[in-house]
Amino acid sequence: NAGVTQTPKFQVLKTGQSMTLQCAQDMNHEYMSWYRQDPGMGLRLIHYSVGAGITDQGEVPNGYNVSRSTTEDFPLRLLSAAPSQTSVYFCASTHRAENIQYFGAGTRLSVL
Amino acid sequence: AQSVTQLGSHVSVSEGALVLLRCNYSSSVPPYLFWYVQYPNQGLQLLLKYTTGATLVKGINGFEAEFKKSETSFHLTKPSAHMSDAAEYFCAVSDTGNQFYFGTGTSLTVIP
Repeated sequence: NAGVTQTPKFQVLKTGQSMTLQCAQDMNHEYMSWYRQDPGMGLRLIHYSVGAGITDQGEVPNGYNVSRSTTEDFPLRLLSAAPSQTSVYFCASTHRAENIQYFGAGTRLSVL
Repeated sequence: AQSVTQLGSHVSVSEGALVLLRCNYSSSVPPYLFWYVQYPNQGLQLLLKYTTGATLVKGINGFEAEFKKSETSFHLTKPSAHMSDAAEYFCAVSDTGNQFYFGTGTSLTVIP
């Protein structure tokens, strides 16, 4: 049981480049979410999904897109990277009955 | 709307001393409350949670927290700090269990 798997662990982009951060969970959780973590700001919700085919915006959605075609996968897309998107990104899935979020190990992204 | 305030972004304690990390929350509905710990370069892992019932909640690694509705607080304590407790600690609140709102975190340093 791998839990929540994020790839890549590290990434360096140039301004304007695009990329997709991958997130997969093998716990059959309906709810998944993406956060960014910045010093002194805690975790801020980017997008979330309550099930396959359903996504919604969180607190800081601008510059990011998501889709949820399967229960297992919830990729986060940066269409045109900006230095302000330099951050650590965490994916999480929620066991609704237990009401617990499980986190991946994170992706450290630098945009130059 | 839900929100979390963690008082003190940095806390230092001596090894063997009491650990007290403060968390106050705002919630329009009976909240679910959580403490997560983040070790360097890792994701967040659950320390403990409060949903309903007993207001004193025990978690892993000797930590516990008490839900005080009248004070809207959920402070985290440990009687005796260990070097391995050095980490970042996040308090979080949730209403339905779908959306979680995190505090800005408290960095705990344990002095030998």
